[in-house]
Amino acid sequence: DIQMTQSPSSLSASVGDRVIITCRASQSISSYLNWYQQKPGTAPKLLIYAASSLQSGVPSRFSGSGSGTDFTLTISSLQPEDFATYYCQQSYTTPRTFGQGTKVEVK
Amino acid sequence: QVQLQESGPGLVKPSETLSLTCTVSGGSISSYFWTWIRQPAGKGLEWIGRIYPTGTTNYNPSLKSRVTMSVDTSKNQFSLKLSSVTAADTAVYYCAREADSGSGRYFDYWGPGTLVTVSS
Repeated sequence: DIQMTQSPSSLSASVGDRVIITCRASQSISSYLNWYQQKPGTAPKLLIYAASSLQSGVPSRFSGSGSGTDFTLTISSLQPEDFATYYCQQSYTTPRTFGQGTKVEVK
Repeated sequence: QVQLQESGPGLVKPSETLSLTCTVSGGSISSYFWTWIRQPAGKGLEWIGRIYPTGTTNYNPSLKSRVTMSVDTSKNQFSLKLSSVTAADTAVYYCAREADSGSGRYFDYWGPGTLVTVSS
């Protein structure tokens, strides 16, 4: 299985901050990397697919980059509704695997 | 707008079989891979497996011996069976659609999730 490792596991930030979350794959996954946002009690929501493509309806303050094994999710200016847990996920091969999550909390 | 909805018992006894169904509305089930994902309370996401409308399946090797998925295109539904459950199978179970845009494959629509508790 391809292991996905996110860092940090949690972070504290303030509204307006720039937030960067990283995701590393245990082997090359080309650009088959997706990012999801999950709020308590709800299903994950797709933010970014194919490493850098913004899902329809997602605010442009979210962006993704990377290829191969190293990827980043950037929130350019954190908004109150962005406090949540973020997951990366590889779709290069089955079984699909997720990172352990990064919880973005209020500072 | 595509919508997915999980249904099934919320309580299953140890050693018995967990059975869930996902109903797809607002679109046809006749293409895309249809997926089950679970999440124990306070933990991360685990991919259980997927099924294509033709019946082709891929399962997580960690669960493969206990998982069976099926699809009923006439009802726009797909189903999950997980046998010999233990407390470790207690989780919120999600169904989701995996889209393939050519440049990427991703879960773009999800059900709200259903909590399944394994307990006697």
